Amino acid sequence: RKEVEQDPGPFNVPEGATVAFNCTYSNSASQSFFWYRQDCRKEPKLLMSVYSSGNEDGRFTAQLNRASQYISLLIRDSKLSDSATYLCVVIGYSGGGADGLTFGKGTHLIIQP
Amino acid sequence: DTAVSQTPKYLVTQMGNDKSIKCEQNLGHDTMYWYKQDSKKFLKIMFSYNNKELIINETVPNRFSPKSPDKAHLNLHINSLELGDSAVYFCASSPGRGLFFGQGTRLTVV
Repeated sequence: RKEVEQDPGPFNVPEGATVAFNCTYSNSASQSFFWYRQDCRKEPKLLMSVYSSGNEDGRFTAQLNRASQYISLLIRDSKLSDSATYLCVVIGYSGGGADGLTFGKGTHLIIQP
Repeated sequence: DTAVSQTPKYLVTQMGNDKSIKCEQNLGHDTMYWYKQDSKKFLKIMFSYNNKELIINETVPNRFSPKSPDKAHLNLHINSLELGDSAVYFCASSPGRGLFFGQGTRLTVV
């Protein structure tokens, strides 16, 4: 089982719709979780951290489900500018990538007018 | 006032050549990284330095050698370039939580 898995998509979503996608992780000792956004031919940028209690930042909501070992990202009222690849990042203290920081391969989101 | 800057942004070179990529961060972070993103978009760590000391060295060919003259700089030298080295190389720095990436260097080996 891969350490961090994401559905690569693409997810084609009409503008204004709500879209959600998940990221599963295999290491139950994982401690910290993040969502990064990467635009085509650009560097990844931190979108938001994911806290145990869930957190919201404007139209974006991130949640953590430790029992099922996944994190989710929900985007409400999607905009054309939300089109990007969303990378899940998991940090653990055993297994995982170097420094315990592992990237998923990303979910490609396309918002259509 | 770019936070993490890499040069060059694009690099096209022939097989067998030696090339270097430079990275500088002005964020005052102690930890810097080199990541490789291949054609399948998978980001994989190569090296990590903390305050000029190598702390992570993943399974990377010996042809790749990082150098950190000070904690604000982490350069990557690649010897005897191969076709399979073609990828985007990202430098990143971290204050201890989260990563700040440079704009990437798109390396094409022909």
